[in-house]
Amino acid sequence: SSELTQDPAVSVALGQTVRITCQGDSVRTHYASWYQQRPGQAPILVIYGKNNRPSGIPDRFSGSISGSTASLTITGAQAEDEADYYCNSRDSSGNHLVFGRGTKLTVL
Amino acid sequence: EVQLLQSGGTLVQPGGSLRLSCAASGFTFSNYGMTWVRQAPGKGLEWVSTISDTGGNTYYADSVKGRFTISRDHSRNTLYLQMNSLRAEDTAIYFCAKAYTMTDLAPFDYWGQGTLVTVSS
Repeated sequence: SSELTQDPAVSVALGQTVRITCQGDSVRTHYASWYQQRPGQAPILVIYGKNNRPSGIPDRFSGSISGSTASLTITGAQAEDEADYYCNSRDSSGNHLVFGRGTKLTVL
Repeated sequence: EVQLLQSGGTLVQPGGSLRLSCAASGFTFSNYGMTWVRQAPGKGLEWVSTISDTGGNTYYADSVKGRFTISRDHSRNTLYLQMNSLRAEDTAIYFCAKAYTMTDLAPFDYWGQGTLVTVSS
C-alpha cells in the first residue's frame, strides 16, 4: 500500500494562515480528502475532491494539489480549528484506502 | 438528519470473535458505500474495510483481510463488521462512516460515534 506522509505537528498564530501537507504518489492520481478530529470526537470531513467543502464547513478551509503533495490551507485560523488533521486517499492499486499519520494543529 | 448509531464493542479475548453493528437512518442506505475505520488508543486513523452501495464489492486492509468480514442488510439499514481471530493489535475505537457519493471508496461525510473494542486476556 502507498503511504501518505504528514508533518506530526504544526502551529499557527490566531488569525494567521497555515498549510498542512500530505505527500504521497497516490495523490497524483486520486484526490486527497481531509478530516478534522478534535479530542474524543469522531472525525469530520472538511475537504474532498479537487477543493470541495461539505455543507457547514467554513470557507477558511481550502484544498489544493501540486504534484505528489496535497495541502489543506486554513486562512485566518480560529481557536476552534485546533485539532488533528488527517489526509486520506486511495493507494496506488486503487483498491485500498490509506490515511496519513495525522498533523496536530496548535493555534497559539 | 443522517444518523449512524453503533453498537457491539466490548472486551474480548485474543482469538475470539465479535460483530459490530452500525444502524443508519436519515438517508437512503442502499445508495451509499459504507466503511469501517479504526483508531488504536492514542494513534491515528486506520482504514479497515469498505462495502459498495449494493454490497457487491468489498475491500479490506491487508491487516484484517481473511479475519474480518464487512456486510450490510438493506432491510434493516444496518452495516456490520464480523471480526474473527482477534488480536491485541485490533484493540481500537471502531467508527462506521458513510460515503458522500455512490462511488466506491469515496470520502466519508458522516461518521458514527465509535465503539471500543478491547482484545485482552
